[in-house]
Amino acid sequence: DSGVTQTPKHLITATGQRVTLRCSPRSGDLSVYWYQQSLDQGLQFLIQYYNGEERAKGNILERFSAQQFPDLHSELNLSSLELGDSALYFCASSTNAGGGIGNTIYFGEGSWLTVV
Amino acid sequence: AQRVTQPEKLLSVFKGAPVELKCNYSYSGSPELFWYVQYSRQRLQLLLRHISRESIKGFTADLNKGETSFHLKKPFAQEEDSAMYYCALSVSGGGSQGNLIFGKGTKLSVKP
Repeated sequence: DSGVTQTPKHLITATGQRVTLRCSPRSGDLSVYWYQQSLDQGLQFLIQYYNGEERAKGNILERFSAQQFPDLHSELNLSSLELGDSALYFCASSTNAGGGIGNTIYFGEGSWLTVV
Repeated sequence: AQRVTQPEKLLSVFKGAPVELKCNYSYSGSPELFWYVQYSRQRLQLLLRHISRESIKGFTADLNKGETSFHLKKPFAQEEDSAMYYCALSVSGGGSQGNLIFGKGTKLSVKP
């Protein structure tokens, strides 16, 4: 158990809908990352938050947004869903924001999103 | 550009055979490299980080800056090693603060 928890584990929704994925980081971790894993694109970094502030942006679509709350949990909002958004969405957390010896990134079990 | 390349999509070996999963990276800064393992679409688990120079489950990986490689090796493969293996590069500075860039992954299949 990495200590990173994600809900829901599985989600099936229709095209055009909006969903919210939730993540609780490991105790003490200030940095939260979101990754998308799909068969064709592999693992892609979406966005990072550190202590409530957006820190880095990757290949995140404009239809997607995220935030990190004062209690450090994070939510990833996916709207106007398309079939191609079907993927496994991972949340990860680490102690710090930058790279470094102590900043190992630990992953949650992921949220399976299926868009039909 | 920052990039991680895992040239093999699939590597199939017999139990007891040596394994080498290749990883090459492109990064102008000082690299921090990791290997993650994923069993049957479960959570990505950290296997190794180059800074620690550790051996986990018999796997080792050495950073070769000259060849920009971080190959994962195990002398004797076990069936339970069958999984997806991802090499990842930690980048920092600018707009990418410590997030990971992953290779496409190599599926290791160990046959009995």
